[in-house]
Amino acid sequence: DTGVSQNPRHKITKRGQNVTFRCDPISEHNRLYWYRQTLGQGPEFLTYFQNEAQLEKSRLLSDRFSAERPKGSFSTLEIQRTEQGDSAMYLCASSPGQGNEKLFFGSGTQLSVL
Amino acid sequence: KQEVTQIPAALSVPEGENLVLNCSFTDSAIYNLQWFRQDPGKGLTSLLLIQSSQREQTSGRLNASLDKSSGRSTLYIAASQPGDSATYLCAVYNTDKLIFGTGTRLQVFP
Repeated sequence: DTGVSQNPRHKITKRGQNVTFRCDPISEHNRLYWYRQTLGQGPEFLTYFQNEAQLEKSRLLSDRFSAERPKGSFSTLEIQRTEQGDSAMYLCASSPGQGNEKLFFGSGTQLSVL
Repeated sequence: KQEVTQIPAALSVPEGENLVLNCSFTDSAIYNLQWFRQDPGKGLTSLLLIQSSQREQTSGRLNASLDKSSGRSTLYIAASQPGDSATYLCAVYNTDKLIFGTGTRLQVFP
């Protein structure tokens, strides 16, 4: 059990560029969550997967955002045409998938859009 | 819509003090409540999880209580240490996701 792994740790990009983040959950965890956190705020829910199925998306997830989990293992979060308001920490979490359970978080990807 | 509030937003105490962090939520239909610690620029570390049927959980110097009917939880930290300095986040689990408060930023000075 190596924990939830996120890459990259930091990403600096120019406005208008596309970026992609990767999350590797704990092995055999069926659920995978994405959250976004801005400075001084708590994490905000973006979306979650049960295996490869994306079951819920927040209204925060505009059409510039897309998340995938093609084989029910790792997940990617892509942001197209980045805006300065996208600057935030993007956190990934996983859980066994039974519901009503502890979530394990990764260290996050810090995105800065210039 | 579930809303989670944490009071105070920031707290500064001398080493050795016992302290209480507060969390309130608007919808009592929760499955569990979790407390996390977050160091600057880092991810979240789970501290305690209280199921909706439980009243409290303890881990070392930490004790968390839950009063679901009144929509409140407290995190009690005994004999605080400078290493406890961090942001503490409360989150409630319902409708298949965690909903977080804005956190309490704690500083413990020697």
